[in-house]
Parts: sequence; structure tokens; C-alpha cells
Amino acid sequence: DVKVTQSSRYLVKRTGEKVFLECVQDMDHENMFWYRQDPGLGLRLIYFSYDVKMKEKGDIPEGYSVSREKKERFSLILESASTNQTSMYLCASRRSGDSGTQYFGPGTRLTVL
Amino acid sequence: GNSVTQMEGPVTLSEEAFLTINCTYTATGYPSLFWYVQYPGEGLQLLLKATKADDKGSNKGFEATYRKETTSFHLEKGSVQVSDSAVYFCALILNSGYSTLTFGKGTMLLVSP
Repeated sequence: DVKVTQSSRYLVKRTGEKVFLECVQDMDHENMFWYRQDPGLGLRLIYFSYDVKMKEKGDIPEGYSVSREKKERFSLILESASTNQTSMYLCASRRSGDSGTQYFGPGTRLTVL
Repeated sequence: GNSVTQMEGPVTLSEEAFLTINCTYTATGYPSLFWYVQYPGEGLQLLLKATKADDKGSNKGFEATYRKETTSFHLEKGSVQVSDSAVYFCALILNSGYSTLTFGKGTMLLVSP
């Protein structure tokens, strides 16, 4: 059974803290994605990666960075968390060339106080 | 650019009612179309897809037909169940290179017994 796991389901951080959200997939997928999900705004793409050590900006990259040192792991980093980054964060992966069939993790609900 | 427009929710139905969730799109190229579903507390999962005009995607009693002439991909189910209560996302991806999914904002479905 394919699986995408995220390091935490719930996370509470303080303004200004550095935050790491981890995502691991066991399907040997080349492509990985980070989204944030907010009421009324749907899913918005933050960053994605086509392969190890590659990264591309999505629609809302400001305030975020990513790291992909290994194929199975894709990390989202908030350098200095702010209250407007309180959100649900979803990680996804897909096989290269498999078009829109993405596999999502359960999400991390991040609250920044 | 590319965009997906879904009907706003919530859609509230009684069990065994007929369901339609409207989805229309604009695309700069020739897209594949998808419906994803998000059950409470979970990430998104692919429900069905269609890759070319007049294709019908179907799964778990849900179906949607790719209508190029009306740029639509409406989701239907003949008889909904309480367990179908979830948020439904329509999405598209262009069939070229390193494309990413464009999602609609999601439609919440609430089914009561």
C-alpha cells in the first residue's frame, strides 16, 4: 500500500521560530510537492521538487524554503514563522510522467502563536 | 492561465439523493481532469480522472465526463451515502512537461441519514 507520511499531525510554534515539516514517501516517486490548505482558498502550491536536490517555486513560496537531500524525503522550512503561516500543510508525491495522479499525506495542522 | 471553478458549498443532501457538483475549467492547453476527495482528518485521494474529451471517469459510484465543448467535468452520483461526506476538489493538469495540478477551491458535501 502506497504511503506518504508527515512528521506531525499537529504542531504549535511561536512567532519567529524556525519550523521544519518533514514528509516521507515509500513509493520511490521522483516528484514531491508541498501545499497549504486554507478555508475558502483551497490548495495552494508552495514548492515542488522533480528530483533529488531539485526545487521549484510554486504559487506562494514567500516565507518558505525546502530541502530534498534524499529521494524519499522532502522538507518544508519556515525560516521565521509568522501568524499568517497558521494553516494545514499537505505533502504529496507522484511518479514522474504519471500526470496528475498524486498521493497525499494526512497533513500537518500548524498553529503559530 | 489555468483555473478551475467549482460550485460553492456546503452541499447538503439526504442519504440516497442524487448528487451533482459542478466544475468548469479554463486551460491554455489540452488538460487531463481529476476529482480528488478529502475525508475528514485525512489528506486528499484521487477519486477519478479523464484524460481526453468525452472520456468518462468512474469510481465508487461516482462518475464525471470530460466535456470539451462546455469545458466542464461535473461530478455525479446516483445515490449518496453518509460515508460520502467529504470535501471534493476538481483539478486539471496540462499534458506537457513538468506540469503541476491546478485545483478548484473544493466543495464540501454533507449527507444526513
